[in-house]
Order: sequence, then structure tokens, then C-alpha cells
Amino acid sequence: NAGVTQTPKFQVLKTGQSMTLQCAQDMNHEYMSWYRQDPGMGLRLIHYSVGAGITDQGEVPNGYNVSRSTTEDFPLRLLSAAPSQTSVYFCASSYDGGAREKLFFGSGTQLSVL
Amino acid sequence: DAKTTQPNSMESNEEEPVHLPCNHSTISGTDYIHWYRQLPSQGPEYVIHGLTSNVNNRMASLAIAEDRKSSTLILHRATLRDAAVYYCILRDELTGGGNKLTFGTGTQLKVEL
Repeated sequence: NAGVTQTPKFQVLKTGQSMTLQCAQDMNHEYMSWYRQDPGMGLRLIHYSVGAGITDQGEVPNGYNVSRSTTEDFPLRLLSAAPSQTSVYFCASSYDGGAREKLFFGSGTQLSVL
Repeated sequence: DAKTTQPNSMESNEEEPVHLPCNHSTISGTDYIHWYRQLPSQGPEYVIHGLTSNVNNRMASLAIAEDRKSSTLILHRATLRDAAVYYCILRDELTGGGNKLTFGTGTQLKVEL
């Protein structure tokens, strides 16, 4: 199993550009989520999904869109990138949203918005 | 939501045990205590979790206070590869599928020769 795969690993955007960060897992996990991590700060939850067709907002959802059309994929879309979205983005998944379940994280996407 | 408090940083010598504390004074009866760690330039990885009883696995031990208001992650013999940021988080069984996890800034563990 590859686990949680994020692409790309690095990306540079200009202000106003749009892009999609990809996240895929091959563990048949129902729960998937996106976090951003800024220097000196912990991980902040952007959006999460408890199954195909179901998404919800986390702590910092503004400027980001998500959809979950399949169990395996959970892409994060930036519609109009802003410098404030410069960050490292992590995707995570778990078997379900249960409190006993482990979270598996991807290796991250480092995004710079100029 | 219940929150956790951890020291910003700790230091240890290689081959020595390390005790990483976490306070969670507002923990509810259905909160599981989870620990993750993040090595430099990597995503966080699961370490251990527990509810009421102490837990052991190949990576570490988790000691939970009797009143559950604090816990301690124990690395029995620290190595240089254990240098990482360690996060203590709570996962509420009641929120089930609506689980919004909060990661604070964690404890930066430095391990020296």
C-alpha cells in the first residue's frame, strides 16, 4: 500500500491563480481531511470528509473548496490564490472518524503564493 | 472542545528515557488521548493512543493519570531519530464522523549525543 499520496510536493503560484492539490489514499478509508501548517504554528484543519459525497468545514475553510466524489480521492482547490495561503498542506485519512482510529498523513505539499 | 497544553520544548540525551507531559484538564469521559510526532520536513505520524489505562507499543508508552487530566508519553531510550515535534491531541468518541481534530504547537524534542 502506498498510504496517503499528495501531489505536487512543491508549487509556486502567482496571486489570483487557481490550482488543485491532490490527495489519494489506497486504504479504503472513509475519513479524509486537509490541514495547513504555518511556521511556528500547529496544524489547522481546513476541510474534512466522512465519506464520498460528504464534506464539512474545519477551522480555516475560507479560500478553499473540496469535494469527495470517490472514497480514494479528496482534492483541495484554491480558486484564487493569495499570499496568505502560502503554507505547507497535509492530507490525512483514517478508517473512519472514530476516536480510536489512527490518522495517516501524507508527506505534504509546500505552496508558495507570490 | 477540550484542549491540551504541552511544553514548547524539551531536551534529552541519547539512550536516556524521555517523559513528555500533556495537560488536558477539561477532558471529557469520551475523549481518547492521541500522540503524534512530526519529524523534520515530514507529515505527522501516529505514535500511540489510550482512553483510561496505560498503553504500550513498540514506539512508546502512554501513562494516563487516574483523573485523566494529564498524560505522559514515555520514550524509553531516546535516539537521535526521535528528535521531532510531539503533539498530544484529544479525539472525542461522541463526535464520531464529525471529528475536528485540533493540533496545537506541540513539544519540540531535542536529543543530544
